[in-house]
Amino acid sequence: GPKVLQIPSHQIIDMGQMVTLNCDPVSNHLYFYWYKQILGQQMEFLVNFYNGKVMEKSKLFKDQFSVERPDGSYFTLKIQPTALEDSAVYFCASSLAGTGGRTEVFFGKGTRLTVV
Amino acid sequence: GDSVTQKQGQVTLSEDDFLFINCTYSTTTYPTLFWYVQYPGQGPQLLLKVTTANNKGISRGFEATYDKGTTSFHLQKASVQESDSAVYFCALPNYNVLYFGSGTKLTVEP
Repeated sequence: GPKVLQIPSHQIIDMGQMVTLNCDPVSNHLYFYWYKQILGQQMEFLVNFYNGKVMEKSKLFKDQFSVERPDGSYFTLKIQPTALEDSAVYFCASSLAGTGGRTEVFFGKGTRLTVV
Repeated sequence: GDSVTQKQGQVTLSEDDFLFINCTYSTTTYPTLFWYVQYPGQGPQLLLKVTTANNKGISRGFEATYDKGTTSFHLQKASVQESDSAVYFCALPNYNVLYFGSGTKLTVEP
């Protein structure tokens, strides 16, 4: 089936440094998302992105976070500067249509970010 | 606002046991409801969805009924296998956000 690819699978970074998580969404999808998962359970919505713009973001999407998808390339989540509490698994997702409908959202395998 | 609640954080069963995972929802509309499953080292993937209230969704032996009366969308399976061990999420879309319940970790022992 359709696949969302995330690079890298693991990232260890020093606190205060910048990190960029990369996502290659399903090719014809138009909506993109980032979620944060801690301790292997709760999936927390961070942000969604459509037509080059952030549509909605949660309280977890701090000012240090940013997303972009320049010229249809990778959809990226950048954290600058990183903090210890940013350690988590970050999942990228994409969908053909917005979730207000019946559309399925496809998730990548996640990037495990460890801030030390 | 719209939300989904899963009260069971963990469920441990033996093979061939009956599975019941609780999910209740709160919404002012009648959106499609979803169950996603997350296997170790993977992202969540769609297990089943039900688009219409009072209908049932069935997939891979799992079933869930969208019950408007009790605002529930419980997941059931008659006979679980060790390969069903995973985290199960009930999910509800709101505009362009898919909200997940807190997840239920199912462990099936041989």
